[in-house]
Amino acid sequence: DQQVKQNSPSLSVQEGRISILNCDYTNSMFDYFLWYKKYPAEGPTFLISISSIKDKNEDGRFTVFLNKSAKHLSLHIVPSQPGDSAVYFCAASYAGGTSYGKLTFGQGTILTVHP
Amino acid sequence: ETGVTQSPTHLIKTRGQQVTLRCSSQSGHNTVSWYQQALGQGPQFIFQYYREEENGRGNFPPRFSGLQFPNYSSELNVNAFELDDSALYLCASSRDRVELETQYFGPGTRLLVL
Repeated sequence: DQQVKQNSPSLSVQEGRISILNCDYTNSMFDYFLWYKKYPAEGPTFLISISSIKDKNEDGRFTVFLNKSAKHLSLHIVPSQPGDSAVYFCAASYAGGTSYGKLTFGQGTILTVHP
Repeated sequence: ETGVTQSPTHLIKTRGQQVTLRCSSQSGHNTVSWYQQALGQGPQFIFQYYREEENGRGNFPPRFSGLQFPNYSSELNVNAFELDDSALYLCASSRDRVELETQYFGPGTRLLVL
């Protein structure tokens, strides 16, 4: 049962353009969402998060949008840079009993930014 | 801050064997979580330890067990390996159970079961 899904295995973008990575979830209990970036031979690193009480959160070139009714979130990177090339994971959590702190991850999207 | 480290980096085992993977938490962190990442998949939550007590477990059988020590380092023990256990095993430490943004991941241990 895949509760968090990233349906695009890969995305290719030109440097300077916008990258949009998408994520869908099925569990309506999720109330906190995070995006991670992963380079080869390294662990995932936290990028940006959003609480379910918001619909947008921005940090520099990175913006995350949350559409609760559609159970959909997206990560926008503007402008994209070659150093952004990595695997991007979305993850979800909810503050329920011992579930808090447990992250449910999507399958990941490989982003390639071409110079 | 020293970062999260894991050992060994790679491991090859045969079916039925047992292994212990180790994780050294970032300084000041009292919570550690373990994840299994199969090829082409996202990390899957195994369990979490907070102040030496198990604080939540994912859908993994009892042959996956763990420990957290007073210095907050941690071990993941896997008994009776199966082929499906081949994966990257990640640990992540955080300042507290609820501080998700401060959850730092180690580079992982890649385990291959033959």
